[in-house]
Parts: sequence; C-alpha cells; structure tokens
Amino acid sequence: QVQLVQSGAEVKKPGASVKVSCKASGYTFTSYGISWVRQAPGQGLEWMGWISAYNGNTNYAQKLQGRVTMTTDTSTSTAYMELRSLRSDDTAVYYCARAWSSGTQFDPWGQGTLVTVSS
Amino acid sequence: QSVLTQPPSVSAAPGQKVTISCSGSSSNIGNNYVSWYQQLPGTAPKLLIYDNNKRPSGIPDRFSGSKSGTSATLGITGLQTGDEADYYCGTWDSSLSAASYVFGTGTKVTVL
Repeated sequence: QVQLVQSGAEVKKPGASVKVSCKASGYTFTSYGISWVRQAPGQGLEWMGWISAYNGNTNYAQKLQGRVTMTTDTSTSTAYMELRSLRSDDTAVYYCARAWSSGTQFDPWGQGTLVTVSS
Repeated sequence: QSVLTQPPSVSAAPGQKVTISCSGSSSNIGNNYVSWYQQLPGTAPKLLIYDNNKRPSGIPDRFSGSKSGTSATLGITGLQTGDEADYYCGTWDSSLSAASYVFGTGTKVTVL
C-alpha cells in the first residue's frame, strides 16, 4: 500500500536547523510530488511548499522563502525538508503528503514529525 | 491568517446532516478546484474530497462536496460518532507572485 513514513521527533534550540525525512513506498516515487504542511499546537494547517520528485522543481510558501529547502533522493524514494534559523513559533507537527500532478490532491499523508524549538 | 474562512464549529445528532462552508475569493476558490481534509484527533489529515466533488477510493458517499462561485461546501449525512474531527478546505491561491496552497481555518464537527 502507498505509505509515507517520517523521521522521529526533534528538539532544537532557537537558531538551529532541522531536517525531516519522508520515505515513500508503494508507488512510483518520481510520478508525483511531495508537499510539506505544518501544524502548530492547537492551530490549523499551513502549507510550506512542494517539490517535484520527477525533476526537483520547488515552490515554497513566501513566508518561508530563504529558510526552507526541500529535496528528494530518488534512489531511496525519500523526500527531505530542512528549516533553518529556527524560532519558537516554528514549533509544530510537520507532515509530508504525496502531491498529485494536478495539485488538487494531497494523499496520503505521513504520520507527522513533532519539531520543538526551545532554549 | 488563512484566506479561506470556515465556521469554527458545527454540531448535530447521530444520523443527522451537517454542512461546512468555505469562503474564499476569485484568486483561490473562484478559479481553482477545492479539496477537503478530515483530521481525526491526534492523527494526520486525510483526503476526503478533491476537485470540488470527487471522492477518493474508500471514502463513503455520506461525504459530498460542492462549489459555487467563491465558496465551497462539504456535506456529511448520516452523522456518526467516528466523524468527530476537524475538517479543512484547501485550494491554490494566485494572489501572490507564485501560486501557493491555502487551507481554510478549520471546522470542528461535534456529534451530540
């Protein structure tokens, strides 16, 4: 079955970086994209950006431009999201989701990775 | 803050129907397909509806979607206790220099 499995929880200090992985299985990795979405505690969903697993093209949310980098490793069917210069308001659960080429479907989603930013 | 507005909460008794609205503008809902996601407590979101009114395989027909102008609606009939969750609409928005995906503010469904 189609599955996305994310890396484990992280605790980081302000100013540090975090890199979350998302390993895909059950489908042809390069036929879809990966979107990243985060959810702060008790808050709604926030789209962070998208990467094509076919050619590596990216589209980042404007508010994260310059701090976020999304990459893929097609040899291991794994997507990565790195967020730099972490602040306390980056504390959130980070999700990856398979993004269909039409862009209208995020399905399925990974289980989520909690990133806590605290001094 | 989100550009897509949803009611904070809706509720109904088991077996009844609820509808959730998602209000946007011409730069998002008005010119793009809408999706709906269900987030059960403590779990990752799940796709319920895509392309305004299509259901992925495995989603019961109790869930339906529609769009008119710059608003979209999710309907849930035959409400069950297992439907208690947060629901989010989502679509692309072209108001900035690059297209970005936006989610609604979210609606909590309570089964009385």
